Amino acid sequence: LAKTTQPISMDSYEGQEVNITCSHNNIATNDYITWYQQFPSQGPRFIIQGYKTKVTNEVASLFIPADRKSSTLSLPRVSLSDTAVYYCLVGDMNTDKLIFGTGTRLQVFP
Amino acid sequence: DTEVTQTPKHLVMGMTNKKSLKCEQHMGHRAMYWYKQKAKKPPELMFVYSYEKLSINESVPSRFSPECPNSSLLNLHLHALQPEDSALYLCASSQDRLRETQYFGPGTRLLVL
Repeated sequence: LAKTTQPISMDSYEGQEVNITCSHNNIATNDYITWYQQFPSQGPRFIIQGYKTKVTNEVASLFIPADRKSSTLSLPRVSLSDTAVYYCLVGDMNTDKLIFGTGTRLQVFP
Repeated sequence: DTEVTQTPKHLVMGMTNKKSLKCEQHMGHRAMYWYKQKAKKPPELMFVYSYEKLSINESVPSRFSPECPNSSLLNLHLHALQPEDSALYLCASSQDRLRETQYFGPGTRLLVL
């Protein structure tokens, strides 16, 4: 089963832009790419979802290249409260299952 | 309102106990999910209910028994669990299909002694 991989951890300072990538080589043709934020001992919280090109909402942007084999979550001007684990969620074309990425632990410093 | 509620928040049980986890949503969603999450790992799908019928069982041991009494409620009955079943159990719901955006509850932290 192909894994959906993310960097294990990232560090940033308040006010900086953070870009977190997710590699999903076996993404299902018709599936969206969804990103979630999770704080310790809480459920994942929906951030953004997209199918191709670029999507932007009030908290983040999502960049998806034409081949859709990866995606990048962009968080503009992070704050201390953005310290959390970030997961991508995509469908796998071989198993037809939704698979969470391995997760990226973002630490924001003052 | 995108709220999914779960009770209890914490649960400690022995290996011979029977307990239940409860999940509720009032968003009119017709798909509901149970996930298991171990520390520092992503959530793993256990069960999916679609229109109150079990549509996916990810080869979960029979000591976990899901139930969907109506479109707003989802239960997970636990019996004869093992210590390795200790984890955060998450409930989620979506509009009506597996590929729709899922909204998660806060989870139940389960400890099996």
